[in-house]
Amino acid sequence: GAGVSQSPRYKVAKRGQDVALRCDPISGHVSLFWYQQALGQGPEFLTYFQNEAQLDKSGLPSDRFFAERPEGSVSTLKIQRTQQEDSAVYLCASSLGGLRQITHQPQHFGDGTRLSIL
Amino acid sequence: GDSVTQMEGPVTLSEEAFLTINCTYTATGYPSLFWYVQYPGEGLQLLLKATKADDKGSNKGFEATYRKETTSFHLEKGSVQVSDSAVYFCALTGNNAGNMLTFGGGTRLMVKP
Repeated sequence: GAGVSQSPRYKVAKRGQDVALRCDPISGHVSLFWYQQALGQGPEFLTYFQNEAQLDKSGLPSDRFFAERPEGSVSTLKIQRTQQEDSAVYLCASSLGGLRQITHQPQHFGDGTRLSIL
Repeated sequence: GDSVTQMEGPVTLSEEAFLTINCTYTATGYPSLFWYVQYPGEGLQLLLKATKADDKGSNKGFEATYRKETTSFHLEKGSVQVSDSAVYFCALTGNNAGNMLTFGGGTRLMVKP
């Protein structure tokens, strides 16, 4: 497809379960971002990849959150031992350039995964 | 750190009314500024952007001017339509590595026929 694809679109899990959220960026996009959007708020940065390298994970709220992009394309955000406060929409975005390339390029967002922890 | 503040909503207007959504920012250096729009049930879409002071971004009848002296990037449209009903997010990328976006809290716009 032409856009960023995220799956699943909706995920319901019981507190304490592990979840994995998938992101397929636009083909050829070097940069990939994960954001967390709580209900009624703006997205907040979680982590950033340039190709397969995770260059910034300063936004991950705890060590229960882990992200990877092993081949520089598809990325997975994993949350272990989920808590109710993890309930949010998780957004993935990609952009064409990487660090030290053309800056301020637009980020293209997927539709997000809505995670609900019971 | 960087931050973005935008007016709280909801903003309710009649069709063809003039729209202003205020946005101010705090950032070091020279950030790039963006407006994103989120239509019901859809993902975030870039609406417009400006990368330096006094630049005007425009798209679909919407405009915003990068005002460094007032650290603002207010969104305007001369005549709104029902189809403009959505949530609007002001955002910036600072001078940090990776160009991650810092978003405001969003403003919901409802346009009535």
